[in-house]
Amino acid sequence: DGGITQSPKYLFRKEGQNVTLSCEQNLNHDAMYWYRQDPGQGLRLIYYSQIVNDFQKGDIAEGYSVSREKKESFPLTVTSAQKNPTAFYLCASGAGKLFFGSGTQLSVL
Amino acid sequence: SQQGEEDPQALSIQEGENATMNCSYKTSINNLQWYRQNSGRGLVHLILIRSNEREKHSGRLRVTLDTSKKSSSLLITASRAADTASYFCATGPNAGGTSYGKLTFGQGTILTVHP
Repeated sequence: DGGITQSPKYLFRKEGQNVTLSCEQNLNHDAMYWYRQDPGQGLRLIYYSQIVNDFQKGDIAEGYSVSREKKESFPLTVTSAQKNPTAFYLCASGAGKLFFGSGTQLSVL
Repeated sequence: SQQGEEDPQALSIQEGENATMNCSYKTSINNLQWYRQNSGRGLVHLILIRSNEREKHSGRLRVTLDTSKKSSSLLITASRAADTASYFCATGPNAGGTSYGKLTFGQGTILTVHP
């Protein structure tokens, strides 16, 4: 099946810890995106990548980092510098019309 | 920054009724899209309307776009309980290059359809 796979579904972070969210796609899309969603809110863009080995900051990149070493993969690291990381994180791919993964809920212990 | 503002924030209707959701935006756009999100899940693309189009249909969905008023509406006809979800509008920037595909989402309308 073609699509986007995010893992894990739930993730807990201890204070001072970095955690990495996985996003893999087999849709052969060049562009991939990470969005953050807070309860009752819309999506805000964290980072996006139009091509392998290149990525740009979105509207709320502080406290996050990404890499794009392979076309299929776009992992997001939530660093200890992100003081309010509790949110639902969504990965997407596509150009124009986006295809989304099922999300990762990150909580702080 | 949040470009889209959606109205109403929540909508509750009976099965069989029509549901209308509105979206306003601020800057020039290339296209406007509507997405659906079931609770705790990812978003699913519903329909895309380009800036030079005024109306588009897809099954029970009808989308209109008024670029002079910077607004769009999504109409779901003959609603079903399974239509219960959050609905988001998203705008694509009117710029090429690295902005292509970079969408800005509204805050969404929560639709509840009662059986």
